[in-house]
This record gives sequence, C-alpha cells and structure tokens, in this order.
Amino acid sequence: AQTVTQSQPEMSVQEAETVTLSCTYDTSESDYYLFWYKQPPSRQMILVIRQEAYKQQNATENRFSVNFQKAAKSFSLKISDSQLGDAAMYFCARYSGTYKYIFGTGTRLKVLA
Amino acid sequence: ETGVTQSPTHLIKTRGQQVTLRCSSQSGHNTVSWYQQALGQGPQFIFQYYREEENGRGNFPPRFSGLQFPNYSSELNVNALELDDSALYLCASSPAGGRPGELFFGEGSRLTVL
Repeated sequence: AQTVTQSQPEMSVQEAETVTLSCTYDTSESDYYLFWYKQPPSRQMILVIRQEAYKQQNATENRFSVNFQKAAKSFSLKISDSQLGDAAMYFCARYSGTYKYIFGTGTRLKVLA
Repeated sequence: ETGVTQSPTHLIKTRGQQVTLRCSSQSGHNTVSWYQQALGQGPQFIFQYYREEENGRGNFPPRFSGLQFPNYSSELNVNALELDDSALYLCASSPAGGRPGELFFGEGSRLTVL
C-alpha cells in the first residue's frame, strides 16, 4: 500500500522552543521524494522542505530540518526557534512518478506565546 | 510574478448538478494537478495534466474530468454531484524543468453540495 501516516493530529510548542512532527510512509519504490507542506488558515499550501530519497543527507531550510530514516520509512520535521507564524496545518507528502502525490492527514501545530 | 489563481473561491451546488472549477497556473509552469481536500483531511490527488494531456490519475471516478488549455490553465469538472464531493479543491502547478514533485498551490475553491 502507498500510504503516508501522521500520527499526531495536534501538537503545541512554546514560542522559541523546538518541536518535531512525525511522519511515516509505506512504499515499494526506490525513487521518490518527500515533502513537508504548511497550510496556514488562509488555506494556501506552501512548501516547507523537500528530501530526495536517494540522498542520505538530511535536508535543512533555515529553522526547518528533517530526520530522514529511509530504512524505517520515517520522515520527521523539526522546527527550531518556533515563531507564532509557524502555527498552521503541516502535511507530510510523498511523490513518485508512478503514484504522484500522497499526503498524510496533517498535524495542527499551535504555537504558544 | 502572478501565482496560481483559482475561481470561484466558494460555491454551493445541489446534488446531481455539475460544476466547473478553474485554475490559472503560475507563469512558466506547464504541469497542473488537482486535489480534493475534505474537511480535516489531507489533500487527495485527483489527476495531473502535462502539456494538455492527462498523465496521472488518482482513485476518483470518471465523473471527475479535466482539461488543460494551451496557456496551461486548467479546469476541473465534476458531474452528478454527490454530498461527499463537498470539499476544498486545490489546484497546483509545477514549473517546466523544475524539481520533481514541487508544487505551487492556489488558495482553493470551496465546494458545498446540498
């Protein structure tokens, strides 16, 4: 089965602290890409970070980084120095040429002042 | 640079009717994909168009159909609407020669079926 699972429906973090959002996936393919997208209340989805499955090095984008464990099929997102503007729904997604996009059910992140 | 724009932003239909949703892709983008996002769920892939041809489809019935035009804008058509079709419909475009899988989303069209 081609699935993406986000087991945390909601997470809270104190402003300036660090939070990790979990994602696991299932696939029989060797060539795929993993993404985290952010969906603020305005609804427009925004790309946060991407990871190519063939790369061992974990991707980083400023305060956002991932922990990619290919064998475990795990792809978690770490947000450092959390800001109020980070509050949103976060979706983990897997993309391949065959199955295109599969999204998880999302994690709602609350940032507490 | 104009982003992905969708219209209408909200609409209400009744069961059995037909609806057309429209999407203008970002300049320089030749691939458009559509997603259905039910309340509290992640987006589900409906289909993708590349250079006016459908080149990928998710698990949606044939009453969901689409078009891509020479200017790379796109339409999503849904016939014989059902109550479960109520959702946010997202359009996303991808740039020609861009990195695989990278999507630029519009703000969506909220469809309510009564």
